[in-house]
Amino acid sequence: DAGVIQSPRHEVTEMGQEVTLRCKPISGHNSLFWYRQTMMRGLELLIYFNNNVPIDDSGMPEDRFSAKMPNASFSTLKIQPSEPRDSAVYFCASSLLTSEYGYTFGSGTRLTVV
Amino acid sequence: SQKIEQNSEALNIQEGKTATLTCNYTNYSPAYLQWYRQDPGRGPVFLLLIRENEKEKRKERLKVTFDTTLKQSLFHITASQPADSATYLCALADSWGKLQFGAGTQVVVTP
Repeated sequence: DAGVIQSPRHEVTEMGQEVTLRCKPISGHNSLFWYRQTMMRGLELLIYFNNNVPIDDSGMPEDRFSAKMPNASFSTLKIQPSEPRDSAVYFCASSLLTSEYGYTFGSGTRLTVV
Repeated sequence: SQKIEQNSEALNIQEGKTATLTCNYTNYSPAYLQWYRQDPGRGPVFLLLIRENEKEKRKERLKVTFDTTLKQSLFHITASQPADSATYLCALADSWGKLQFGAGTQVVVTP
């Protein structure tokens, strides 16, 4: 398996623009997580899907953020409109059943909003 | 509120020595605790999981202990090598199974 695949690896956008981050989880994993990492706040969980259904989005900063998982092999995280404070590395992770088996993380998308 | 604390200061250690990292937590009753390694520019990589009824777990040169009374886990890297240089993250699952991560401790192993 190629692991969790995220795209793009880097994204630079202007404030106010829409940004879409993409994730392909490991085949067979039924849980998917979006995290954001910054120096100040570390790794923060944004949203968690189980069997393609959003279970907990309490970590989503505000209404500008939305996430979808239309099928078991694809998820998106959208920011509209983007702001400079959204600059961070966004990670997608997937796991089987519960986190007891450990999460597999993608390589992340480094987002810079100027 | 739930908190996970790891030493924010980097741990500098000489090759061959044992590195010991600490993870303390409050307001959790975790069924298990996990440790991850993160290299610059990459996502965290799962290393070990230890359950609440396990006192110690080993994997190659890695050893993890878990004391639910002290609310603490210790992570040991024995016979450390420069390739072990990375940031190590402790993670706990809440009642929903979602992982929350500590801030991590950077380990630097010098030859």
